[in-house]
Amino acid sequence: GAGVSQSPRYKVTKRGQDVALRCDPISGHVSLYWYRQALGQGPEFLTYFNYEAQQDKSGLPNDRFSAERPEGSISTLTIQRTEQRDSAMYRCASSLFGAGANVLTFGAGSRLTVL
Amino acid sequence: AQTVTQSQPEMSVQEAETVTLSCTYDTSESDYYLFWYKQPPSRQMILVIRQEAYKQQNATENRFSVNFQKAAKSFSLKISDSQLGDAAMYFCAYRSQNYGGSQGNLIFGKGTKLSVKP
Repeated sequence: GAGVSQSPRYKVTKRGQDVALRCDPISGHVSLYWYRQALGQGPEFLTYFNYEAQQDKSGLPNDRFSAERPEGSISTLTIQRTEQRDSAMYRCASSLFGAGANVLTFGAGSRLTVL
Repeated sequence: AQTVTQSQPEMSVQEAETVTLSCTYDTSESDYYLFWYKQPPSRQMILVIRQEAYKQQNATENRFSVNFQKAAKSFSLKISDSQLGDAAMYFCAYRSQNYGGSQGNLIFGKGTKLSVKP
């Protein structure tokens, strides 16, 4: 697509429920990134993929968080047994392959509220 | 590990005036990229400007320019002729030159909230 698409835009869930956040990157973008942004803070890296391979998951806060990108395009970030501290904006970004000058284009984000 | 520091949580500028937002970073790498992103109230993340560390010339995009001081590890953003639409959070970010591993992602500062007074 023309931009990075994320869904849902807003998600309200009860503590203990599982949530799945979806990211559809720009067509042709090999690299896909997940970030979490708390209110008043900068985005914090969670994980990223090149094609379908998860290159780095060091930013995932604990084993309740997981991500996949099975066909190298759409990615899903899953949070199991949500807790109130998981409430944040979850942002996806994509870029042409790898690091360097390639610009990350961000989606509008998915705002998660855990009650 | 690389870090990015924005020491000004909030800044204010009069419309049509010039303002400079500060950013410092820490790295042991010699090749890297630096970025400024804008986040308006809509909370989109919009790239403002990009600087390659190997280039001595400061990047410029219309009213936005940077002062890149590699030895001092400083990367400030200057906004000239400020407009009401410039009001936003501004994030400075670092990215390694290297491919693969954990060095592919952006490392962000905590941001500076810019207000523009009419």
